[in-house]
Amino acid sequence: DVKVTQSSRYLVKRTGEKVFLECVQDMDHENMFWYRQDPGLGLRLIYFSYDVKMKEKGDIPEGYSVSREKKERFSLILESASTNQTSMYLCASSPQLGAREQYFGPGTRLTVT
Amino acid sequence: KQEVTQIPAALSVPEGENLVLNCSFTDSAIYNLQWFRQDPGKGLTSLLLIQSSQREQTSGRLNASLDKSSGRSTLYIAASQPGDSATYLCAVNLSNTGKLIFGQGTTLQVKP
Repeated sequence: DVKVTQSSRYLVKRTGEKVFLECVQDMDHENMFWYRQDPGLGLRLIYFSYDVKMKEKGDIPEGYSVSREKKERFSLILESASTNQTSMYLCASSPQLGAREQYFGPGTRLTVT
Repeated sequence: KQEVTQIPAALSVPEGENLVLNCSFTDSAIYNLQWFRQDPGKGLTSLLLIQSSQREQTSGRLNASLDKSSGRSTLYIAASQPGDSATYLCAVNLSNTGKLIFGQGTTLQVKP
């Protein structure tokens, strides 16, 4: 079975802090994605990556950056956390070819105070 | 711009009923459509993936259909159970990039 893990289930940070959210997948998938999910807005794509050291902006990249130094790991970075970044963050991965099925991690509930 | 809509937003049914969840999308040029289940406070679990060339997919009590020309997909759940209570999300994939566009979801409650 595909397994996507996220470093924390719950995280509380202060405004202005630098925040790292980590995602690891164990199926050698090329594609990895970061989404945020908010009530009334649904899931929105922040960034995605096709391969190591490659990244593409999604629909809402402002205030975020990403890092992919190894194929299995995709990190989301909040350079200076703000209260409007309080949200559920979901990571996903998929094989590259053929627009295959996406597999999601359990999510990280981030609260910025 | 592709938009994905799920109606109704919430649904409550007695146990044992067969039910249909609806998903519509505005641009028929999709690669595939995926149905997910989400339990409160949890991540998404993939239920079914329908490629653009397919008409339907089945897994156990679940059957998903796809009509690209009309921009619609349905998720049929047979003999519903309280354990089916969750939010069901559909998402369309516009290209081979894997980028998904999600609907807002239908929250299902199955009463014992």
